[in-house]
Amino acid sequence: KQEVTQIPAALSVPEGENLVLNCSFTDSAIYNLQWFRQDPGKGLTSLLLIQSSQREQTSGRLNASLDKSSGRSTLYIAASQPGDSATYLCATLYSGAGSYQLTFGKGTKLSVIP
Amino acid sequence: DVKVTQSSRYLVKRTGEKVFLECVQDMDHENMFWYRQDPGLGLRLIYFSYDVKMKEKGDIPEGYSVSREKKERFSLILESASTNQTSMYLCASSLVLAGESPYNEQFFGPGTRLTVL
Repeated sequence: KQEVTQIPAALSVPEGENLVLNCSFTDSAIYNLQWFRQDPGKGLTSLLLIQSSQREQTSGRLNASLDKSSGRSTLYIAASQPGDSATYLCATLYSGAGSYQLTFGKGTKLSVIP
Repeated sequence: DVKVTQSSRYLVKRTGEKVFLECVQDMDHENMFWYRQDPGLGLRLIYFSYDVKMKEKGDIPEGYSVSREKKERFSLILESASTNQTSMYLCASSLVLAGESPYNEQFFGPGTRLTVL
């Protein structure tokens, strides 16, 4: 059974810093990996989706990488801003035997201090 | 923009009550999902529906049922609420694209925080 781990559970950085959030997974036979953002008391917003054949995806100040062989993904946030404060979740999608299994990590809570 | 709405942001119910959580999406999506989110456990899929009147069990369907009578509406039903069903419930929807997973490009609602006393 796939396990997705995000370390650290919480991270606090001063405004303007570049930072990296980590996601690791146990089964490398994934279909894709997604990064989401969740604001307090709110639903999830999809940030980036990396297909299994891709190495990275970029959107604005965000860059997500995927290394299937090592079971790792990173989310790089450049020039962090207080508005980036949120919980970031990664999720792997496994495809096999005609079904899909989406497994979420528990998230990293990011605080960007002005 | 896709909009997924959930009938209540906060709900308090008593043990044994029948509880309905409603989710509506306005973009004609075929796929709809119900998740629950708990501290330390993350998001877990309860049920998935890929069309009207069609449903599949997720990871934790016990104690729940669902109803999809119209394409835009997906209801989660707690037949007899229990305290261990106190949680944040998230609804999501996605479009069917040929050759693509239904879990791609999910749009989430704001969540319903349910407390069962």
